[in-house]
Amino acid sequence: QVQLVESGGGLVKPGGSLRLSCAASGFSFSDFYMSWVRQAPGKGLEWISYIASSGTSKYYADSVKGRFTISRDNPKNSMYLQMNNLRTDDTAVYYCARENDIGDFDSWGQGTLVTVSS
Amino acid sequence: SFELAQPPSVSVSPGQTARITCSGDALPKNYAYWYRQKSGQAPVLVIYEDNKRPSGIPERFSGSSSGTMATLTISGAQVEDEADYYCYSTDSSGNQRVFGGGTKLSVL
Repeated sequence: QVQLVESGGGLVKPGGSLRLSCAASGFSFSDFYMSWVRQAPGKGLEWISYIASSGTSKYYADSVKGRFTISRDNPKNSMYLQMNNLRTDDTAVYYCARENDIGDFDSWGQGTLVTVSS
Repeated sequence: SFELAQPPSVSVSPGQTARITCSGDALPKNYAYWYRQKSGQAPVLVIYEDNKRPSGIPERFSGSSSGTMATLTISGAQVEDEADYYCYSTDSSGNQRVFGGGTKLSVL
């Protein structure tokens, strides 16, 4: 079955960096667009970035543009999010999500918590 | 960037019809999707492409869209439908994705 497992979250100081990973299994990873979605404590969902199946197209929400970089390694069935210059308002659970061909997120990981605090 | 606006909360009694709205300038040209998120769980799609229901979602869930507003309707809401509901769409280019702020549905 489809499985997405995020890792790499943790506690980091403002201005610091962190790299999140999303390991995919149970489907042909290279056929699907993938996204990162985050949810601050007690807040709503926020889409932050997507990457096309080939990795050639990438888009970001304004809130992370210039600080976060999405990438993928199709042979390793993995997606990444490099987060630089982290701010306290980046504190959230970060989910990776698979996009299907009708445009919705049909599979989600369990999320990894990123806490930005001094 | 574009935004989707939802009411923060909706409350109904069991068996009543719950309607959750989502407004946004991009909606006339782009589909609306609806996700349900229960506490501590990942979101689950309940409506896609404005009004289609995925397999496994009860028939009491329906969606509609007109102009700049999309609506999720739960006919005969049940206590187990209590959750946060998020609308979702893309901009006209299809490259920017946005969730609405979410609506907490109470059924009591």
